[in-house]
Amino acid sequence: QKEVEQDPGPLSVPEGAIVSLNCTYSNSAFQYFMWYRQYSRKGPELLMYTYSSGNKEDGRFTAQVDKSSKYISLFIRDSQPSDSATYLCAMNTGFQKLVFGTGTRLLVSP
Amino acid sequence: EAQVTQNPRYLITVTGKKLTVTCSQNMNHEYMSWYRQDPGLGLRQIYYSMNVEVTDKGDVPEGYKVSRKEKRNFPLILESPSPNQTSLYFCASSLSQAGNTIYFGEGSWLTVV
Repeated sequence: QKEVEQDPGPLSVPEGAIVSLNCTYSNSAFQYFMWYRQYSRKGPELLMYTYSSGNKEDGRFTAQVDKSSKYISLFIRDSQPSDSATYLCAMNTGFQKLVFGTGTRLLVSP
Repeated sequence: EAQVTQNPRYLITVTGKKLTVTCSQNMNHEYMSWYRQDPGLGLRQIYYSMNVEVTDKGDVPEGYKVSRKEKRNFPLILESPSPNQTSLYFCASSLSQAGNTIYFGEGSWLTVV
């Protein structure tokens, strides 16, 4: 079993839809949770990070962490075609080693 | 502008021919890492460095070497590349040990034939 599980998709939605992206994990020691966005042929860029449990909002993006369920989510409101990318969840215990999900490919159609 | 610069961006090489992928960052970060990204496997850490002359293995270090002689540079060395090292490679640097401020380079596409 992988430490971090993420559905690869693709997830296809129409413009304006609310998108929900999720990851589950098995290591209860993880404390930092991150979402990266990766456009085709580009390096991942940090979208949001959360420490421990709770919610964090930034514009159209909301990150949620439920440590009791070992489940994290990223919600995108009013999705745009420019949101089409692969979304990677990542987490670690507080040291350098990040563990990544395999990524979910999102396609937002106009 | 904050940057992590990798070179070359694209390379096709032959089995056994030593190659080096350079990485440089301009943010004065202490922490630097190398990852490889493969379909279905995601990003996996090869090596990381917490400071000059301090490096350690990640999840998939076999077949790779690194060095950290200067703070800004962290080259990845493939002494004898093999086809299973065909992959997309990313260098990353970060400000904090927690890794929540990681900056990735643009990636280096390596094909070993």
